[in-house]
Amino acid sequence: DGGITQSPKYLFRKEGQNVTLSCEQNLNHDAMYWYRQDPGQGLRLIYYSQIVNDFQKGDIAEGYSVSREKKESFPLTVTSAQKNPTAFYLCASSKASEIYSNQPQHFGDGTRLSIL
Amino acid sequence: GDSVTQMEGPVTLSEEAFLTINCTYTATGYPSLFWYVQYPGEGLQLLLKATKADDKGSNKGFEATYRKETTSFHLEKGSVQVSDSAVYFCALSDRANFGNEKLTFGTGTRLTIIP
Repeated sequence: DGGITQSPKYLFRKEGQNVTLSCEQNLNHDAMYWYRQDPGQGLRLIYYSQIVNDFQKGDIAEGYSVSREKKESFPLTVTSAQKNPTAFYLCASSKASEIYSNQPQHFGDGTRLSIL
Repeated sequence: GDSVTQMEGPVTLSEEAFLTINCTYTATGYPSLFWYVQYPGEGLQLLLKATKADDKGSNKGFEATYRKETTSFHLEKGSVQVSDSAVYFCALSDRANFGNEKLTFGTGTRLTIIP
């Protein structure tokens, strides 16, 4: 079955360390997204990518970095510059964008990151 | 900018009760509107969507109608079940961004159904 796989499900980081969250999709979707979810704040967009080798900052990109070397993969690195990284991180993907697009986004099951 | 305002939770109902979760939005263009559901420990699943004014989205007994005049997309279900307990997110995708499918989410409403 096609879908989005995020790994690991739980991740722990020590202060000052960088960590990378994996996101892989086999839906043949062009666009991929990373969101951060905090209690009572809904989802906030970190980065998104509409095609391979291109990505744009979302609303809260500071302290994060991404790459999009393959269509299927969109890893997110949480750097030591992110001062409050404890959160639930969700990856999503959607079909190629079109004017007047109404394509929904498909989500993975998320990675919960905690600071030790 | 775009924004979505959702009814604050948590909402607790008895099984078979009628459900309404309010959602209003502001957008610069012609948004598509979505309801997503998140079960405990999982990601979001698309529940239903509507792409233009007066469209009604429906799925699994849930319905929502795109009301441009009131900028609303309220979620309703006539008879809820325990299995409907989850967090519900209203979201919009503003087509004024011409193909940019960034979603703007509400803060989510936690629904608990008591047997």
